[in-house]
Amino acid sequence: KNQVEQSPQSLIILEGKNCTLQCNYTVSPFSNLRWYKQDTGRGPVSLTIMTFSENTKSNGRYTATLDADTKQSSLHITASQLSDSASYICVVTIRRGSYIPTFGRGTSLIVHP
Amino acid sequence: GAVVSQHPSWVICKSGTSVKIECRSLDFQATTMFWYRQFPKQSLMLMATSNEGSKATYEQGVEKDKFLINHASLTLSTLTVTSAHPEDSSFYICSARDRTEGSGYTFGSGTRLTVV
Repeated sequence: KNQVEQSPQSLIILEGKNCTLQCNYTVSPFSNLRWYKQDTGRGPVSLTIMTFSENTKSNGRYTATLDADTKQSSLHITASQLSDSASYICVVTIRRGSYIPTFGRGTSLIVHP
Repeated sequence: GAVVSQHPSWVICKSGTSVKIECRSLDFQATTMFWYRQFPKQSLMLMATSNEGSKATYEQGVEKDKFLINHASLTLSTLTVTSAHPEDSSFYICSARDRTEGSGYTFGSGTRLTVV
């Protein structure tokens, strides 16, 4: 079982609609959680980063939430655009001496016109 | 913000030849660099972790003699795919963490390797 679970695995929405992606994790001790957007054939680009004490972080139309008690995070995309079509990856970093990232498998989002 | 420059962005090589991929941290010192491989429509798979000035740590199943990693300075890490075969064709990505605590990871733009 993956220690960082993302859902749904894939999602198709119409342009202009909102959507929410989920990330549940079991790894510890928690250092931070980061959401990345990866376009096909490109490297992941950071959207948000949250530490233990942060509940919400926004970046334009992207809003991430974190509940460190239940070990859940979500990424909400508002008023989706065609360019939002990509894979969204949740990465939880723990600290055991050094920082160790654990990747979710990603959610593939397709925005249709 | 932190930038990791990865080159080349794509490369085609013949079977049996070696290919070197470079990752440079442009405005920060990367004490740790991670190398990943990604097959189509799959998640990133960690291959190895390199720390500046020391030997890389390879994940289980990754051949260290085939995937040579060098992290000789705080701003440069290289991955050399030796004696490449068609099954090595993949998307290779590096990421680095700068020395600021809790800063997360910055990814390179990736290298598409095709072995013919």
